[in-house]
Amino acid sequence: AQSVTQLGSHVSVSEGALVLLRCNYSSSVPPYLFWYVQYPNQGLQLLLKYTTGATLVKGINGFEAEFKKSETSFHLTKPSAHMSDAAEYFCAVRSRNSGGSNYKLTFGKGTLLTVNP
Amino acid sequence: NAGVTQTPKFRILKIGQSMTLQCAQDMNHNYMYWYRQDPGMGLKLIYYSVGAGITDKGEVPNGYNVSRSTTEDFPLRLELAAPSQTSVYFCASSYSGQGDNSPLHFGNGTRLTVT
Repeated sequence: AQSVTQLGSHVSVSEGALVLLRCNYSSSVPPYLFWYVQYPNQGLQLLLKYTTGATLVKGINGFEAEFKKSETSFHLTKPSAHMSDAAEYFCAVRSRNSGGSNYKLTFGKGTLLTVNP
Repeated sequence: NAGVTQTPKFRILKIGQSMTLQCAQDMNHNYMYWYRQDPGMGLKLIYYSVGAGITDKGEVPNGYNVSRSTTEDFPLRLELAAPSQTSVYFCASSYSGQGDNSPLHFGNGTRLTVT
């Protein structure tokens, strides 16, 4: 069974500072990896995903994430935080194995990002 | 293009009442899902469907039922509401799933309170 761990339920940064949100997965085979963002009173939106190829993935709003197989990690970063980045961020995984119920996403518990002026 | 539409946005139920949360998508997606979101717990899968007429249980199905008579609609039914079902419910859909990497498209959620 696969699982996702997001380190830190709440991260607070100053505007203009580096954003680093951590995600580690547990899976026998490296899964598909996703980051979703949830703004207040809204559903989740896809920020970026890793499927294959280049391990550094760029997403919307200046975010990027790097897949590191040796560390089973997929941390999300942004060089300079903006006030509009304040939201909750979810890491999610999906198995690469076809068949059965392997297409289901497994979510981490989320990290709330606060950006201080 | 509306995407995934959920109704109602808010609802308060008394213990023992029943209700149906509606979900509709206009993207011709085969796969649809119901998640519940509780503070600090992330999202838990309740039920999912891989196509019209096919549904299956997720991680936390107890107290819920679903049906999928059409590709577009995937309603979630609560038969005897309990305080433990107080949560925010999200419906999602994706183009495909098996061996694929299709992202999920989410609705804006239904906030349910059971008192």
